[in-house]
Amino acid sequence: SYELTQPPSVSVSPGQTARITCSGDALPKQYAYWYQQKPGQAPVLVIYKDSERPSGIPERFSGSSSGTTVTLTISGVQAEDEADYYCQSTDTIGTYEVFGGGTKLTIL
Amino acid sequence: QVQLVQSGAEVKKPGASVKVSCKASGYTFSTYAMHWVRQAPGQRLEWMGWINAGNGNTKYSQKFQGRVTITRDTSASTAYMELSSLRSEDTAVYYCARDYEPLRLGLSNALDIWGQGTMVTVSS
Repeated sequence: SYELTQPPSVSVSPGQTARITCSGDALPKQYAYWYQQKPGQAPVLVIYKDSERPSGIPERFSGSSSGTTVTLTISGVQAEDEADYYCQSTDTIGTYEVFGGGTKLTIL
Repeated sequence: QVQLVQSGAEVKKPGASVKVSCKASGYTFSTYAMHWVRQAPGQRLEWMGWINAGNGNTKYSQKFQGRVTITRDTSASTAYMELSSLRSEDTAVYYCARDYEPLRLGLSNALDIWGQGTMVTVSS
């Protein structure tokens, strides 16, 4: 079955840039989406179609894609950005959705 | 405002079925697809399937094929997810989530509006 791979954790200091990667063989052909999830809450969509930002999401959140890896970048990280981040995409032939294992972003 | 409100927590015995509802408001229910996603305690999100709220067509994850049924009632602006033959591994929070794009633009698979989640506990 298709898998998306994320690092389990990323740590940065306030004001720095956090980069969270997600790797998968189908990513050159399929869009990726990113979600932020805080404890006890439902996920929030922060990036769709690799790099588009939904309305209401701060400009410090951006997404990019290169080959089999997509990256969520959070510039000027703030304490409120501490959360779990999940990538999501579609398998090679577009039959089902898959989520990555999640990355816990810790603000030092 | 656009929101999805799910039914309350459930406790079920192994082998039983559970049906979770998701009532939509603030938009025209039949013009968007609805997905279902679950999250076991401390685990990753897991996509279960989706329904075209306009025509009722569905697609399910192969993992749940045969055990999950997603339906909708357009008159009530409500989607339902029923999972049968429950086992302890099905203990999780179950979410409904609306697709980002209206159906006329095609399925985006981005999930922009989420319900509050429904905890389903399977225990003997």
